[in-house]
Amino acid sequence: DARVTQTPRHKVTEMGQEVTMRCQPILGHNTVFWYRQTMMQGLELLAYFRNRAPLDDSGMPKDRFSAEMPDATLATLKIQPSEPRDSAVYFCASGLVFGAIDEQFFGPGTRLTVL
Amino acid sequence: GQNIDQPTEMTATEGAIVQINCTYQTSGFNGLFWYQQHAGEAPTFLSYNVLDGLEEKGRFSSFLSRSKGYSYLLLKELQMKDSASYLCAVRDQGGSYIPTFGRGTSLIVHP
Repeated sequence: DARVTQTPRHKVTEMGQEVTMRCQPILGHNTVFWYRQTMMQGLELLAYFRNRAPLDDSGMPKDRFSAEMPDATLATLKIQPSEPRDSAVYFCASGLVFGAIDEQFFGPGTRLTVL
Repeated sequence: GQNIDQPTEMTATEGAIVQINCTYQTSGFNGLFWYQQHAGEAPTFLSYNVLDGLEEKGRFSSFLSRSKGYSYLLLKELQMKDSASYLCAVRDQGGSYIPTFGRGTSLIVHP
């Protein structure tokens, strides 16, 4: 049964350290999303790719965040340097946009704590 | 962009019916989604409406009125496992084709 996978599931790090989160989208999906979820802000779109091309990363703090999709099976979100305010759950989702309904399939998330 | 408004929290009794409302303002409209998210888990897709009216799927139904900028999710025969956050997401007619999520409604079902 196809699903989005994310690693790591949990990450605790100290301020200033680099954090890399990885996502394997569902094979055949043409769009990959990165979201951040906090109690205060809810679910925020950070960036998304279509057919591996970055289309919008306006939701991402550019000075410290970067998102890439080196191949169709891997998307990465990197924070360097990390700050305590980056503590959140980061979800990757994939979908077949321009399909019948365009629902998004979410991965289990990476719970990041920056001390 | 969109403004999406949902109640923050609702409570209901097991076996009852609950209606979760979502109002939105958008420049153009191109679909509304409902997702369910249990605590500590990822959101999962529940329903999609693009035309006015009611879409029924088992115990869950979703209604849309485009002229009013309004949708609701109706949950019947509530079960304890329905305790979760319910996220409304709206897509506009911009070229991105990407929906914006509301803050979600936390539903607590008690015995």
